[in-house]
Amino acid sequence: GQQLNQSPQSMFIQEGEDVSMNCTSSSIFNTWLWYKQDPGEGPVLLIALYKAGELTSNGRLTAQFGITRKDSFLNISASIPSDVGIYFCAGAPKTSYDKVIFGPGTSLSVIP
Amino acid sequence: NAGVTQTPKFQVLKTGQSMTLQCAQDMNHEYMSWYRQDPGMGLRLIHYSVGAGITDQGEVPNGYNVSRSTTEDFPLRLLSAAPSQTSVYFCASSYTGTSNEQFFGPGTRLTVL
Repeated sequence: GQQLNQSPQSMFIQEGEDVSMNCTSSSIFNTWLWYKQDPGEGPVLLIALYKAGELTSNGRLTAQFGITRKDSFLNISASIPSDVGIYFCAGAPKTSYDKVIFGPGTSLSVIP
Repeated sequence: NAGVTQTPKFQVLKTGQSMTLQCAQDMNHEYMSWYRQDPGMGLRLIHYSVGAGITDQGEVPNGYNVSRSTTEDFPLRLLSAAPSQTSVYFCASSYTGTSNEQFFGPGTRLTVL
């Protein structure tokens, strides 16, 4: 079946550094979503992307929908301790509820 | 609004026992779903519903049943628990039209001995 790959699997950064992570697929998607999960909580939607090439920001977060439609990128600028958590990408081949596929996640640790 | 609520937060079962995980949302969302989260595997869809009275299977439906009698509630039933069902379970909901933008509950951590 379809799978999403996320890299890196985990990262440790100093507070104030910028962060980049990506998500790739062997299939074409029409929707890319980025979620963040804090320890012991459910995922929270950060950014949704619906158009190839689209670049969308949410505060210090910026995400891009890759031109090939097979990848997406998330950047976090000037990291702070509350950025700690697991970041999941999710993709859907169309706006079909049952077809959303989640990646395995990138674990982010921020060292004060 | 309380958003998406789940009960219980933690549960321990013995193999063969049955139980129901509760999920409710107060946002009048048509779409609701259940996911399980296992280490290193992301979230996998168990069952979903596009409205009251309508349910369908996701990627990993075996061993689970659902029903949707009201818009607000979407319970997940384990008929005969197995150790392989040890996981964290999340319920999610979303509006029609932006059905990929899901709101998640806080999760239920289930251990089957």
